[in-house]
Amino acid sequence: DAGITQSPRHKVTETGTPVTLRCHQTENHRYMYWYRQDPGHGLRLIHYSYGVKDTDKGEVSDGYSVSRSKTEDFLLTLESATSSQTSVYFCAISESFNVRTDTQYFGPGTRLTVL
Amino acid sequence: DQQVKQNSPSLSVQEGRISILNCDYTNSMFDYFLWYKKYPAEGPTFLISISSIKDKNEDGRFTVFLNKSAKHLSLHIVPSQPGDSAVYFCASRGGAQKLVFGQGTRLTINP
Repeated sequence: DAGITQSPRHKVTETGTPVTLRCHQTENHRYMYWYRQDPGHGLRLIHYSYGVKDTDKGEVSDGYSVSRSKTEDFLLTLESATSSQTSVYFCAISESFNVRTDTQYFGPGTRLTVL
Repeated sequence: DQQVKQNSPSLSVQEGRISILNCDYTNSMFDYFLWYKKYPAEGPTFLISISSIKDKNEDGRFTVFLNKSAKHLSLHIVPSQPGDSAVYFCASRGGAQKLVFGQGTRLTINP
């Protein structure tokens, strides 16, 4: 198994509070991703990173920001959580952006509930 | 707009029989397709993939078929085993190598 951990694994918070989710990898992979999984939508890309301090938006980036100050850590921040951000969040890593040669490996997920 | 669709939210199959999971896509530019498997409380794991230049790829009990003219792919599992009970996501390579996922199909293998 790829060495990916996510913290916290579960979190309940209130609307309007800031929340930060952490993804940590021990594989030294260059690319890191944040997805959210919702019923009826599958997994949707929020943001991704292609190197330290290099990030870009995905399909559903509104309301989220990310930071990557070290190769091994990728943080996802909800500046002011809303109930629509209740979801399961997955971090993924890959050696390159080429899905033909480099599989994306997923972390165990963080279940976030915004009340 | 859902570019990758898995129209069956769930599927129930008898142990030992064939499981067939289906996936449709709308973007003819998609050129690489993958299946991921997900157990509860775990992240998805890669299962099998296929390039658009092929129409079939096999790996043990798992075979993926691609019909480009119909923009349809399917995953066949033969024979189905209890450990195959999971949620299966199909994914396609979209713009700039990003993956676009379907909604998922929950497969239950009954003993």
